Amino acid sequence: DTAVSQTPKYLVTQMGNDKSIKCEQNLGHDTMYWYKQDSKKFLKIMFSYNNKELIINETVPNRFSPKSPDKAHLNLHINSLELGDSAVYFCASSRAGGRGSEAFFGQGTRLTVV
Amino acid sequence: AQKITQTQPGMFVQEKEAVTLDCTYDTSDPSYGLFWYKQPSSGEMIFLIYQGSYDQQNATEGRYSLNFQKARKSANLVISASQLGDSAMYFCAMRIGQGAQKLVFGQGTRLTINP
Repeated sequence: DTAVSQTPKYLVTQMGNDKSIKCEQNLGHDTMYWYKQDSKKFLKIMFSYNNKELIINETVPNRFSPKSPDKAHLNLHINSLELGDSAVYFCASSRAGGRGSEAFFGQGTRLTVV
Repeated sequence: AQKITQTQPGMFVQEKEAVTLDCTYDTSDPSYGLFWYKQPSSGEMIFLIYQGSYDQQNATEGRYSLNFQKARKSANLVISASQLGDSAMYFCAMRIGQGAQKLVFGQGTRLTINP
């Protein structure tokens, strides 16, 4: 069984469109994240949710809106897509800090805005 | 502010040799965790090893070990007996405190194992 699954794996869309990426985890973790990996492979956190509550928003443009209907799901909706949004977006989940708190990542969604 | 630095953009190693990937970190919080991840060309992020700031011994997981030098704020990953399948990007990451807030990642090191 896939621990963290996100869909779609690839997303090609035109500038100005709105798109969503879905994420689900079956690990029973309380915390879920969205990370963005740019073309230089740098991973930067965008959002962190704990038990459906937003706890971190790393100065992400308002066009990005995460939604967590329950603690197993964290979706990412992006409005008015721009060329600079092209990247790989990773969903991840973890339990609280300490040993065993490593983040489990989904397979990533490669978003290409043309 | 918390920061992770990986100073080696790329490393080239002969198969079966040991390799050390460098990682230094910066935090004033006494409680933190350090992680290493592997990202092969297929793109997935694979957790390798964890070291807690209060752990007395260096972490080991199979061929992976973490050389934790707290005073120097370094957490280098050592891969013994490297294999061709070890070729990948490697990321060092840090979590601060006990809350599951976020992992801060370094820039990554691209490791290439030559036959």
